[in-house]
Amino acid sequence: DAKTTQPNSMESNEEEPVHLPCNHSTISGTDYIHWYRQLPSQGPEYVIHGLTSNVNNRMASLAIAEDRKSSTLILHRATLRDAAVYYCILRVQGGSEKLVFGKGTKLTVNP
Amino acid sequence: GAVVSQHPSRVICKSGTSVKIECRSLDFQATTMFWYRQFPKQSLMLMATSNEGSKATYEQGVEKDKFLINHASLTLSTLTVTSAHPEDSSFYICSALENPDRGLIRDEAFFGQGTRLTVV
Repeated sequence: DAKTTQPNSMESNEEEPVHLPCNHSTISGTDYIHWYRQLPSQGPEYVIHGLTSNVNNRMASLAIAEDRKSSTLILHRATLRDAAVYYCILRVQGGSEKLVFGKGTKLTVNP
Repeated sequence: GAVVSQHPSRVICKSGTSVKIECRSLDFQATTMFWYRQFPKQSLMLMATSNEGSKATYEQGVEKDKFLINHASLTLSTLTVTSAHPEDSSFYICSALENPDRGLIRDEAFFGQGTRLTVV
């Protein structure tokens, strides 16, 4: 499985932007970059995914480096409800390939 | 968004008994489901991949006879923890992928809310 590297933890203040980095230097051409987050005592939830171009949705933005060896999840205005563990995962589009979770980044949002 | 329902959300059982956890995709067909286990302050650990109508594929180190997985329909997979012991106490989470034969409507995985198992 292709691996990703994320900081163990990050801290942010409420209503400020948050940039969560992910390194994936061994990414292959068919790997999509997926982000999930897990709130305390809940199952993970999908945040966003992309291949090469930057992506935006209601929850976040995903900035992908030109060489695709790293990406950044951007929360434009952090809220207390965004406090969670964020996971960056690589997987092939459309297949039944398993989702393997790394350690993720624990985001703390200060009021 | 798509909903995956996991039941029960919490269960306490006596050592030596078996516990069944259900995972249902409520508004889509899921040909593939995954089962994870998560210990406190740790990440999700994949236990097995379940495909509808076939045997589950277990990850290395996961006992097939202890963690029985049945994926009998496109909307239901079950995990049975047999002869549970206190060390099996954990947070169990299922995940489902939408049937790719129906077109790439959504490529993300959908997760249940998890089942907190406590074996006493």
